[in-house]
Amino acid sequence: EAGVVQSPRYKIIEKKQPVAFWCNPISGHNTLYWYLQNLGQGPELLIRYENEEAVDDSQLPKDRFSAERLKGVDSTLKIQPAELGDSAVYLCASSLGISGTDTQYFGPGTRLTVL
Amino acid sequence: AQKITQTQPGMFVQEKEAVTLDCTYDTSDPSYGLFWYKQPSSGEMIFLIYQGSYDQQNATEGRYSLNFQKARKSANLVISASQLGDSAMYFCAMWAAAGNKLTFGGGTRVLVKP
Repeated sequence: EAGVVQSPRYKIIEKKQPVAFWCNPISGHNTLYWYLQNLGQGPELLIRYENEEAVDDSQLPKDRFSAERLKGVDSTLKIQPAELGDSAVYLCASSLGISGTDTQYFGPGTRLTVL
Repeated sequence: AQKITQTQPGMFVQEKEAVTLDCTYDTSDPSYGLFWYKQPSSGEMIFLIYQGSYDQQNATEGRYSLNFQKARKSANLVISASQLGDSAMYFCAMWAAAGNKLTFGGGTRVLVKP
């Protein structure tokens, strides 16, 4: 069974440029998560989708970040415009159900560097 | 509020020996779940083991076991017979109904020496 797929793996951009990350969850997984991981820290939730509905986006900086999950499958996270402080790893995860105790399976992440 | 604390920033372990990674948590919610993940240098978070707050027995998965002490609010991970491939960052995480999200600790870096 294929795991969570993310692309690109690495992205280098200049500040004020837009950037987008793509995630394809494990087949059949209803819940999708985007996390931000700063260097030397644990991941922090940005947004959680149940099917196509964003059920928790309280930690998403909505002035510059946006996300979508069309048709309840793959998802895109966008930053526009990027700032130096956005340099981090962006992780996507998925789980089968909507219970918080369902195991989340993570993708390899996208490492963003903003110059 | 939920809080996860991993007090060991890094540790060395000799190959084939066991190692215990500490994790303490804080929640007032009676229903919660505790997870351990491994993150090698490649970046992917790999699920290792899960313990539910109502589970009567400590969870085990192969060489991984979770020492769950509910009264002390600790959920330590034990890795037996360490292998060179165990060198990685290890994160403890908790989900509780009140916060309804997975909260991660700061991680412990393990380096296995041959």
